[in-house]
Amino acid sequence: DVKVTQSSRYLVKRTGEKVFLECVQDMDHENMFWYRQDPGLGLRLIYFSYDVKMKEKGDIPEGYSVSREKKERFSLILESASTNQTSMYLCASTGGENTGELFFGEGSRLTVL
Amino acid sequence: AQTVTQSQPEMSVQEAETVTLSCTYDTSENNYYLFWYKQPPSRQMILVIRQEAYKQQNATENRFSVNFQKAAKSFSLKISDSQLGDTAMYFCALRRGQGAQKLVFGQGTRLTINP
Repeated sequence: DVKVTQSSRYLVKRTGEKVFLECVQDMDHENMFWYRQDPGLGLRLIYFSYDVKMKEKGDIPEGYSVSREKKERFSLILESASTNQTSMYLCASTGGENTGELFFGEGSRLTVL
Repeated sequence: AQTVTQSQPEMSVQEAETVTLSCTYDTSENNYYLFWYKQPPSRQMILVIRQEAYKQQNATENRFSVNFQKAAKSFSLKISDSQLGDTAMYFCALRRGQGAQKLVFGQGTRLTINP
């Protein structure tokens, strides 16, 4: 089974702190994604990566950056956390086939005080 | 731009009943894929069912089936003989055709199955 693992289920940070959210997948997938989930807004794409060191902005990249140094790992970085970044963050991965099924991690719930 | 709209924020039915979740979408593509994902409470999101736009036949997976109306850009999910384990958030999603991997998601519908 595909496994996507997010490093932290729950985090509490203070405004202005730098935050790292880590995601690792074990299926050698080329594509990895970071989504943000908010009630009433569904999932919104922050960034995605289609190869090592390659990245593209999604719909809401402001205030975030990403890093993909190895194929299995995709990190989301909040350089200076703000209260409006309090949210659930979901990592996902998929291979290059047309079936397009995304495999998700369990999510990281971030609270910024 | 591609958009997905789920107009039912919450739904609730009794166990064993049939329930239909609505989804409409907008895309200028002719070749695309539609998905329903399920997110159980405190658990990972998983794929329920997928539909290729070029296939006229509606997809079915056990108790889950879709009603795909391409001209109306509608993609509803029907759950038959609902079970307590079907309680979850359900998200409709759209993906462009070959070569594209990004999904656009709807707002979600919280479905509760009551005993």
